[in-house]
Amino acid sequence: SQQGEEDPQALSIQEGENATMNCSYKTSINNLQWYRQNSGRGLVHLILIRSNEREKHSGRLRVTLDTSKKSSSLLITASRAADTASYFCASNSGGSNYKLTFGKGTLLTVNP
Amino acid sequence: DTAVSQTPKYLVTQMGNDKSIKCEQNLGHDTMYWYKQDSKKFLKIMFSYNNKELIINETVPNRFSPKSPDKAHLNLHINSLELGDSAVYFCASSQLGQGTDTQYFGPGTRLTVL
Repeated sequence: SQQGEEDPQALSIQEGENATMNCSYKTSINNLQWYRQNSGRGLVHLILIRSNEREKHSGRLRVTLDTSKKSSSLLITASRAADTASYFCASNSGGSNYKLTFGKGTLLTVNP
Repeated sequence: DTAVSQTPKYLVTQMGNDKSIKCEQNLGHDTMYWYKQDSKKFLKIMFSYNNKELIINETVPNRFSPKSPDKAHLNLHINSLELGDSAVYFCASSQLGQGTDTQYFGPGTRLTVL
């Protein structure tokens, strides 16, 4: 089985609502990252949380990390139509190669 | 100013052909990656080069051969293309050893094998 399983696979909300996406991973990590992918585009880094951190904020984004449960969540507050995209978590297990293992992603649709 | 660029953006070819995808980054990073994203959007690392040396080589058919002529370029050559190679291929780069391993992705190359 793979690292980084996102939940839910798809989420549809109204503009202004909050969106919460969850991610689980299998092995111990150095850090966990969240990326956004707009349709037909490359991935864009959103936020990184290290294994010794529990919560991190960046603008309307809030990420939590629970290493005991091997899970993370991404909260987008006051969502906008422009937030419509796929969101991926990616775990980094450390070591010298900085390999990222991506989950399958959550497709978020924000309806105007 | 494009940070990570890939060419071509679209590639349609017949089974059995050989094709190359090129990637260039102008961020001064020392590490570059190739990922494959399948039709279900699952993104999987294929290769990684650090300072022109291969550091990650996942279980990828040897029909795929990466080449890094310098730190700013990482090309992907695919021999004897198969239907299952159809996917979107993403190049990415990062700078190791700076306490962060944020990766910067190119726009992707959509490969369709007929």
